[in-house]
Amino acid sequence: SAVISQKPSRDICQRGTSLTIQCQVDSQVTMMFWYRQQPGQSLTLIATANQGSEATYESGFVIDKFPISRPNLTFSTLTVSNMSPEDSSIYLCSVKQGELNSPLHFGNGTRLTVT
Amino acid sequence: SQQGEEDPQALSIQEGENATMNCSYKTSINNLQWYRQNSGRGLVHLILIRSNEREKHSGRLRVTLDTSKKSSSLLITASRAADTASYFCATPRGAGGTSYGKLTFGQGTILTVHP
Repeated sequence: SAVISQKPSRDICQRGTSLTIQCQVDSQVTMMFWYRQQPGQSLTLIATANQGSEATYESGFVIDKFPISRPNLTFSTLTVSNMSPEDSSIYLCSVKQGELNSPLHFGNGTRLTVT
Repeated sequence: SQQGEEDPQALSIQEGENATMNCSYKTSINNLQWYRQNSGRGLVHLILIRSNEREKHSGRLRVTLDTSKKSSSLLITASRAADTASYFCATPRGAGGTSYGKLTFGQGTILTVHP
């Protein structure tokens, strides 16, 4: 299965600033996704990172707040813009390989605290 | 139960005992997946059961799926302290393409195994 490197692993940021999270995969993958896990909560899908085109965002998430890049089949970034304490969460990159009925593989996540 | 409630939300047992977690879902599915998360880290895929399967085993894990009741259970036998983690079930949003990577996660069960 794919090895996913996500960085930073954690960060503490001031409100109003932005943080870019990187996700690097050791092999080409067709599907990459970004999830958010708020404290004590389950995971929520933010968007699908599309290679060479704009990401597809889920309801409640917008490009201005969470711009995503995916320049190739092994790399993606998620930026959390103009942060507020409500953005404190774990952000997780995930990829899908192989057949449709196969599981997702996740990075170790980025634990973000906004003060 | 998950998608969204989990049953139970938290479970505390002694090493050697069995742990059973339940999950329910609301829509038709192609598969149901179970993941483990240790201490707010990334998720690790445990087992995927397809909609035409009723039971699946992997080591000390046993998963059942009842599509008529839209429910699934995860059984961990002979639990160990290292099994302490949060466990989530997840189902794909729909059929086809990226829908298979767009998972809806349940709220999770926090399992604590005491040595």
